[in-house]
Amino acid sequence: QLQLQESGPGLVKPSETLSLTCTVSGDSISSSYYYWGWIRQPPGKGLEWIGSISYSGSTYYKPSLKSRVTISVDTSKNQFSLKLTSVTAADTAVYYCARHFITGDNWFDPWGQGTLVTVSS
Amino acid sequence: SYELTQPPSVSVSPGQTASIPCSGDKLGDKFACWYQQKPGQSPVLVIYQDTKRPSGIPERFSGSNSGNTATLTISGTQAMDEAHYYCQAWVTSTVVFGGGTKLTVL
Repeated sequence: QLQLQESGPGLVKPSETLSLTCTVSGDSISSSYYYWGWIRQPPGKGLEWIGSISYSGSTYYKPSLKSRVTISVDTSKNQFSLKLTSVTAADTAVYYCARHFITGDNWFDPWGQGTLVTVSS
Repeated sequence: SYELTQPPSVSVSPGQTASIPCSGDKLGDKFACWYQQKPGQSPVLVIYQDTKRPSGIPERFSGSNSGNTATLTISGTQAMDEAHYYCQAWVTSTVVFGGGTKLTVL
């Protein structure tokens, strides 16, 4: 059974870089059928896609975040990671990682449990 | 940029049918999917490729997509279906989520 688990600091200072890692278990991240994505949800608000990456490193990013986002993959560890630079309070959110089916159709399943990241001094 | 529009809230009586619309320009030409999110939990995929149900999702969940509107339908709504529901599509190599609809079962 595929499972994803987010990890990383729960508190980040303004102007600094948010770094999170998603560890995939139960299947190899190297499947050619899937990408691996990051989605966030500010408290009490809706879902916002950040970006997705394939096992080979091909990426898609949300255009409005692209200048601040880097998503990378480490197949040897079955992990992928998110870096978001120059954070502000508006980046406070629960961050989810998920498997992203992107061939023909497009959906996320399953999702990790999510991790709350607060941007505050 | 492309937008998907959902009503903020929908109410339904137990046992009745709930319909949640998601509108976007020529959405019927794309695939839509739907997620259910209960308080404090991660989203769960309930419909993909417009009409398909993942394994483990009850048959009372169904979907359609035509013209400018995709619709999630829940037949025989149960109290456990009370949740937020989000539609999602893939548009010009980007993921777009609808704003979400709070389904209240009362």
